[in-house]
Amino acid sequence: KAGVTQTPRYLIKTRGQQVTLSCSPISGHRSVSWYQQTPGQGLQFLFEYFSETQRNKGNFPGRFSGRQFSNSRSEMNVSTLELGDSALYLCASAPLYGYTFGSGTRLTVV
Amino acid sequence: SQQGEEDPQALSIQEGENATMNCSYKTSINNLQWYRQNSGRGLVHLILIRSNEREKHSGRLRVTLDTSKKSSSLLITASRAADTASYFCATVKTGANSKLTFGKGITLSVRP
Repeated sequence: KAGVTQTPRYLIKTRGQQVTLSCSPISGHRSVSWYQQTPGQGLQFLFEYFSETQRNKGNFPGRFSGRQFSNSRSEMNVSTLELGDSALYLCASAPLYGYTFGSGTRLTVV
Repeated sequence: SQQGEEDPQALSIQEGENATMNCSYKTSINNLQWYRQNSGRGLVHLILIRSNEREKHSGRLRVTLDTSKKSSSLLITASRAADTASYFCATVKTGANSKLTFGKGITLSVRP
């Protein structure tokens, strides 16, 4: 079966812009989580959605938001981009335990 | 915030040798998982061990969990050059649904 698909793979944005990243989970998986990975902070949890509801949220400012659609696809949005938002953004889906991660979207803010 | 602390931060071994990586964590957990990441790509789930389990095997991987010491170890036997990657332990805290809290990772280099 297909894995977790994240689009786009690479993105370059300018400070102050906004960006939307997309994640399609494995078919049948209802939980989708987002993580940010940077060299300085490592892997940090952003939020988790389950059946279109945000079930868990990490310690990120309100500029980071997400949503999940009825087909379990998820999007995350970052508004008013800052240089520090440059990172690899990973999406993961799970039936219950043991996440499957996508290849990530590498966002560069210039 | 990081829950897990992996040790060592970097490990370099010869192909065929065993690699042992350690992880310590701070709070009570539901389960602990190990992931591998190649060159900044996505994470690959290796193995999950529940808080009521002490040891688990999967192919060349052996994971142990000591909840009294809040620590886990990952052993890769007969390492191969293809095992070169970063390895992360991640915990799911008790009552935290399925949110993963990662350590900073261990960089493993396996020399051919």
